[in-house]
Amino acid sequence: DSGVTQTPKHLITATGQRVTLRCSPRSGDLSVYWYQQSLDQGLQFLIQYYNGEERAKGNILERFSAQQFPDLHSELNLSSLELGDSALYFCASSPSLSGNTIYFGEGSWLTVV
Amino acid sequence: DAKTTQPTSMDCAEGRAANLPCNHSTISGNEYVYWYRQIHSQGPQYIIHGLKNNETNEMASLIITEDRKSSTLILPHATLRDTAVYYCIVRVYSTGNQFYFGTGTSLTVIP
Repeated sequence: DSGVTQTPKHLITATGQRVTLRCSPRSGDLSVYWYQQSLDQGLQFLIQYYNGEERAKGNILERFSAQQFPDLHSELNLSSLELGDSALYFCASSPSLSGNTIYFGEGSWLTVV
Repeated sequence: DAKTTQPTSMDCAEGRAANLPCNHSTISGNEYVYWYRQIHSQGPQYIIHGLKNNETNEMASLIITEDRKSSTLILPHATLRDTAVYYCIVRVYSTGNQFYFGTGTSLTVIP
């Protein structure tokens, strides 16, 4: 158990819909990262937040957004969902901005039908 | 960050040492070598990292060549629970640098 908690574990939704994935980082960790893992793309970095502020962006679509709240939990919002958005979404956290070691949650399985 | 090259897959007999190679011929002087593993759709798990010297922890050993162009992760006594995809990542330890995972090596430990 890494200490990073993600909900929901599984989610099935229809195309065009919007979903929110939630992440609680390890106690004391200020950085939160979101990754997407699909069968054909591998593990892709989406976005990083540090203490409430966006710090780095990767391959995140404009239909996707994220935020980190004052209590340090984070949410990833996925809208106008397409079949290709079906993937495993991981949240990770680390104590610092540089994140020498990052700790991953167990992921949220999203299936778009 | 420098790119890495790993074999797509490897097998290892249970109880034997698993040696996973990684080539990173374009690594810069300030880039660290990290290893993570992912056991069947679970969240990736940190294993070990190093800059120049060989490193050892309770999970594995990391051997980095003197020219730093390649490294080997050693699992000294592989068990069935070590079956996973192993990712070798090189990364500058500084603000804004992320972990970019490649395709990794799928290690299968055989009974």
